[in-house]
Amino acid sequence: QKEVEQNSGPLSVPEGAIASLNCTYSDRGSQSFFWYRQYSGKSPELIMFIYSNGDKEDGRFTAQLNKASQYVSLLIRDSQPSDSATYLCAVLQYNFNKFYFGSGTKLNVKP
Amino acid sequence: EAQVTQNPRYLITVTGKKLTVTCSQNMNHEYMSWYRQDPGLGLRQIYYSMNVEVTDKGDVPEGYKVSRKEKRNFPLILESPSPNQTSLYFCASKSTNSPLHFGNGTRLTVT
Repeated sequence: QKEVEQNSGPLSVPEGAIASLNCTYSDRGSQSFFWYRQYSGKSPELIMFIYSNGDKEDGRFTAQLNKASQYVSLLIRDSQPSDSATYLCAVLQYNFNKFYFGSGTKLNVKP
Repeated sequence: EAQVTQNPRYLITVTGKKLTVTCSQNMNHEYMSWYRQDPGLGLRQIYYSMNVEVTDKGDVPEGYKVSRKEKRNFPLILESPSPNQTSLYFCASKSTNSPLHFGNGTRLTVT
């Protein structure tokens, strides 16, 4: 079993719609959760991080964390073609030494 | 500008010829790490370092070496590269209370 699981996609949404990206993790001791965006051939760039159960909003992005279900999600409102990329979910374990990444979900936003 | 700098960006080499990929950060981060990214497998940690002279294996350390003689530098060494080490490599760094910051990546091809 992988530490972090994501649906590889592609997830296709029309411009202006809400894109919902999901991630599950296996280690209940995980403390911090991150969403990175990666364009093809480029380095991952941080979009959001979340530490506590519930929702965290930043502009068009909302991260949701449910530690009981070991589930973290990212909502992108008013999706734009420029949001088309691969989204990586990352989990930092309790000893702060190891990040585990999902294999990413490819998002296509169609004009 | 705060950044993680990797060199070279692209490298083509032959089996068995030793190579070094350099990584330098100017943010005074204690933690540095190397990842490789392969299609369908996501980012996998090779080695990490919590501080100067402190290094530890990640999930896929075989065939790689690292050193941390200075806080800002964390080179990745392939003593005898093999074709299965063809991949996209990322260096990353963080401080105690920050997410990972990634370098621009090094695309390595071993023939």
